[in-house]
Order: sequence, then C-alpha cells, then structure tokens
Amino acid sequence: QVQLQQWGAGLLKPSESLSLTCAVYGGSFSVYYWTWIRQPPGKGLEWIGDINHGGNTKYNPSLKSRVTISVDTSKNQFSLRLSSVTAADMAVYYCARGLPYGMGSYLDYWDQGALVTVSS
Amino acid sequence: EIVLTQSPGTLSLSPGERATLSCRASQSVSSSYLAWYQQKPGQAPRLLIYGTSNRATGVPDRFSGSGSGTDFSLTISRLEPADFAVYYCQQYGSSFKTFGQGTKVEIK
Repeated sequence: QVQLQQWGAGLLKPSESLSLTCAVYGGSFSVYYWTWIRQPPGKGLEWIGDINHGGNTKYNPSLKSRVTISVDTSKNQFSLRLSSVTAADMAVYYCARGLPYGMGSYLDYWDQGALVTVSS
Repeated sequence: EIVLTQSPGTLSLSPGERATLSCRASQSVSSSYLAWYQQKPGQAPRLLIYGTSNRATGVPDRFSGSGSGTDFSLTISRLEPADFAVYYCQQYGSSFKTFGQGTKVEIK
C-alpha cells in the first residue's frame, strides 16, 4: 500500500521560506509525478507544481518565481520550498502522487495534509 | 491557463436523489485529462474519476463521469449519506494543471 507522509515547519513569519518534505512508502518511485497542492482555509484546491524522478519540474505560473520542488530518489522523498511567504500562503499543503495517463497525470494518492500558518 | 468553472456552487439534495455536477472548461480539454475528486471535512481529497469516465479503484458504480470538449459532468445516481461532500474537477492535460472551485453537495 502506498503512503505519503510530509513534515516541515508549521508556523512561519512573513518573508520566511516554507520548506516541506514528503516521503513515499510503498510502490515504485521512478514512474510518477510527485506533486504539491495547497488549500487555503475554507477555499478550494490550488496546484503548486510537480516533479518526476528525473528532476523535471512544472510550476503554477503564479508561484513560479518563489517555488522550488526537488526530489531525492535515494530516499524516495520530494520537497517543496516557497520563499518570501505572506499571509496569502497560509494553507493546508498536500503532497500527492501523480499517476501518468497519456500525456498527463492524475492524483491517485494523497497525504493527510499539513497546515502552514503565516503570522508575525 | 485552463480555467475550470464548476456549477452549482452548492447542491442541496436528499439521500436517494440523483446529483449532477457540472465542470466547464475555458478551452477544450481532451477527455483523457479530466478527473474528479471528493473531499470530506478535515480529509484529503480522494480520486473518484480519471479520464472523464473511468472510476478509480474502489469507487462505487453509482458515481459516473461523462463529457467532452469543454463540458464535463459527474453524476451520483442515488446519493448515500457518505456522498455529502465537496467535489472538485481537475484538468491535467496542460503543463499547468488546474482545479475547479468545487461543488458542495449538502443534505437538504
């Protein structure tokens, strides 16, 4: 059974950098697109970006200047870094597995999510 | 950017009734690249449908998806208590994958 588990700082001050890591347990690591999504409190889902095992990334254009997604295939982990956070970045952050389908990938496994609060 | 607009925002129905949720895209989406997710309060989203009409593993057959081009829909044939939740569509055919804003299915 595939499980994803993330960790990172849950409370940040404005202008600090958000850093989250997601570990993948079970299943192959090399085939998939490893994805970050976020959800502000009471709002909908926002796709942040994804990365494949080769390190090829795609990002949400609205976040691209501040986002870095990286992968460590030796540990079956991938990470999110978001610089210069503001209150608008406060959200539940999810990591998920993107299963390739044709030229795209849909999200078949998600972690439980982690709330990141931004407050001075 | 492909914008997905879901309607209605909220659907108030009783158990046993049929629910039809709409997802309209700002430009054509290949039917291979449209998914639906269910989210309950305090939980992560769960994949229901991929490729417009393919049910994910373990999804009951009362859930069905259809559509093409810019108009897609999710139908729940007979609502059960566990189905009251928020539903999101997602397109994953472009480099920038986007979600709709969600439809809440609530108990009437």
